[in-house]
Amino acid sequence: AQSVTQPDIHITVSEGASLELRCNYSYGATPYLFWYVQSPGQGLQLLLKYFSGDTLVQGIKGFEAEFKRSQSSFNLRKPSVHWSDAAEYFCAVGDDGNKLVFGAGTILRVKS
Amino acid sequence: KAGVTQTPRYLIKTRGQQVTLSCSPISGHRSVSWYQQTPGQGLQFLFEYFSETQRNKGNFPGRFSGRQFSNSRSEMNVSTLELGDSALYLCASWGGGRLVKGEQFFGPGTRLTVL
Repeated sequence: AQSVTQPDIHITVSEGASLELRCNYSYGATPYLFWYVQSPGQGLQLLLKYFSGDTLVQGIKGFEAEFKRSQSSFNLRKPSVHWSDAAEYFCAVGDDGNKLVFGAGTILRVKS
Repeated sequence: KAGVTQTPRYLIKTRGQQVTLSCSPISGHRSVSWYQQTPGQGLQFLFEYFSETQRNKGNFPGRFSGRQFSNSRSEMNVSTLELGDSALYLCASWGGGRLVKGEQFFGPGTRLTVL
């Protein structure tokens, strides 16, 4: 069965600093990979997705992620964090059955 | 285009009661999935509907059920509520068929509190 691991429960970065959120997945076939963001009391917003092709994918709000098959990773990055990026971030893998399996999430705090 | 809407947004029930949550997908979307989000278990898949048929089901007891109507709106029902059912219930919709480019759009959720 597929699984997703986000090793960092909390991350704190200074505004303007770079960000990398880690995600490792376990899936037998070629995975569909996603990053979602959730602000307090809100639903999930899709940041970016990977299905195939270019392993570096660009998303909304200046985020990007790189798929590394050899490391089973799909880390999320942003070169310069803004205070409004403070939220919880979820990595997910999608199977052919239209089910998303989510990681436990990483809470991002941004200090000014 | 309106997003996914879920009603009610907040709900308080007592143990043993039952509850029905509603989800209206984005216009034109035919698939709806439900997820439960709790601090302890995170986001867990409940079930998925396409064209009024349940296509996939997660590992939840039979107290959790759902259905989809011909207009693609979906409801989920939880009977004999337990304290552990307190959670944020999220609904997601997308175009339909197989996972179409992963564009699953989530609603704001219904916050259920069981006392």
